[in-house]
Amino acid sequence: QKEVEQDPGPLSVPEGAIVSLNCTYSNSAFQYFMWYRQYSRKGPELLMYTYSSGNKEDGRFTAQVDKSSKYISLFIRDSQPSDSATYLCALCLSGGYNKLIFGAGTRLAVHP
Amino acid sequence: DVKVTQSSRYLVKRTGEKVFLECVQDMDHENMFWYRQDPGLGLRLIYFSYDVKMKEKGDIPEGYSVSREKKERFSLILESASTSQTSMYLCASSPQHRSYEQYFGPGTRLTVT
Repeated sequence: QKEVEQDPGPLSVPEGAIVSLNCTYSNSAFQYFMWYRQYSRKGPELLMYTYSSGNKEDGRFTAQVDKSSKYISLFIRDSQPSDSATYLCALCLSGGYNKLIFGAGTRLAVHP
Repeated sequence: DVKVTQSSRYLVKRTGEKVFLECVQDMDHENMFWYRQDPGLGLRLIYFSYDVKMKEKGDIPEGYSVSREKKERFSLILESASTSQTSMYLCASSPQHRSYEQYFGPGTRLTVT
């Protein structure tokens, strides 16, 4: 079983739609949950991170962590063509020297 | 702005050649990382370093080595390149105790023929 599973998509939505991106994981010891966005031919950039359970909101983006279900989500409201990118979830045991475990990424296309 | 730069965007090498990939960060970060990214496999950690001259193996270190002689510079070395090492290579850095906050370079697309 992979440590983190992420549907690769692609996901195609019309502009203005609400997008839901998800990952499941197997190790209950993970404490930090991140979403990275990667535009074509660029390196990933950190979008949001959440420590432990709960929700975190940043503008049109909301990250949600459900540790009981080992399930994390990223919601994008009022999606824009500029949101078209690959979204990678990542998990970390702690903030220290531990490595990140990345999902395979979900490719999102928002069409006008 | 955090800046992570990588020496080449595209590189073509022959099987058996020794390949050097350079990464430089300008934010005084303690941690630096080398990943490779392949379709369907996501990012896989090759090596990381949490201090000058310190290195730790990641998930797929075979066929690679690293060097960190200065805090801002982290080099990935392919001792004898093989076609299986054709991939996108990404370097990242993060502050100490905040490994979740990684800043990535633009990547080097390496093709080994």
